[in-house]
Amino acid sequence: ETGVTQSPTHLIKTRGQQVTLRCSSQSGHNTVSWYQQALGQGPQFIFQYYREEENGRGNFPPRFSGLQFPNYSSELNVNALELDDSALYLCASSLRVAGGETQYFGPGTRLLVL
Amino acid sequence: AQSVTQLGSHVSVSEGALVLLRCNYSSSVPPYLFWYVQYPNQGLQLLLKYTSAATLVKGINGFEAEFKKSETSFHLTKPSAHMSDAAEYFCAVSLQWETSGSRLTFGEGTQLTVNP
Repeated sequence: ETGVTQSPTHLIKTRGQQVTLRCSSQSGHNTVSWYQQALGQGPQFIFQYYREEENGRGNFPPRFSGLQFPNYSSELNVNALELDDSALYLCASSLRVAGGETQYFGPGTRLLVL
Repeated sequence: AQSVTQLGSHVSVSEGALVLLRCNYSSSVPPYLFWYVQYPNQGLQLLLKYTSAATLVKGINGFEAEFKKSETSFHLTKPSAHMSDAAEYFCAVSLQWETSGSRLTFGEGTQLTVNP
């Protein structure tokens, strides 16, 4: 148990729709990162938030956006869904301190776009 | 930019045999290195991490990994495989967050099968 939870566990959407995925970080963690894991591949970094501000972004278009809230919760929003957005979406929380940072992952949300 | 290469997308061992999963990294600055395990339909669980302290790192479930700078490697080993070790294993690299944030860059993963 990492103390990181995600909701929902599964989701089915149709192309063009919008989706919001939620994550609850470990208490005290000031950083949350989101990853997309397509079937049979390693996770790909989407973006990271540190103290409620975006702190790095991977190679994903602007229709992927996020928010981090003071109560250790965060959201990943995806607009104009495409078929290729079907994947497992993982959030990871961490405490940013000098000397290293370890990310702890939630169980993921599996998104299917039809 | 950092990158990770995992040699062998599938590794099969017998129960009780040595497990060796290979990971090579590329990084222009001293990296932090991680091994995560993923069981079917689950998230990632941290096995162990290297953050510039001891080069031989011990993790959970009897796994360990050795950081070799000269070989840019961070291979994962376990002396004796157990059936419950069957899973997907990911090697990942990140930099010090002061450099460019602390994003993890993952390898493609190695599926470990343990045969009875």
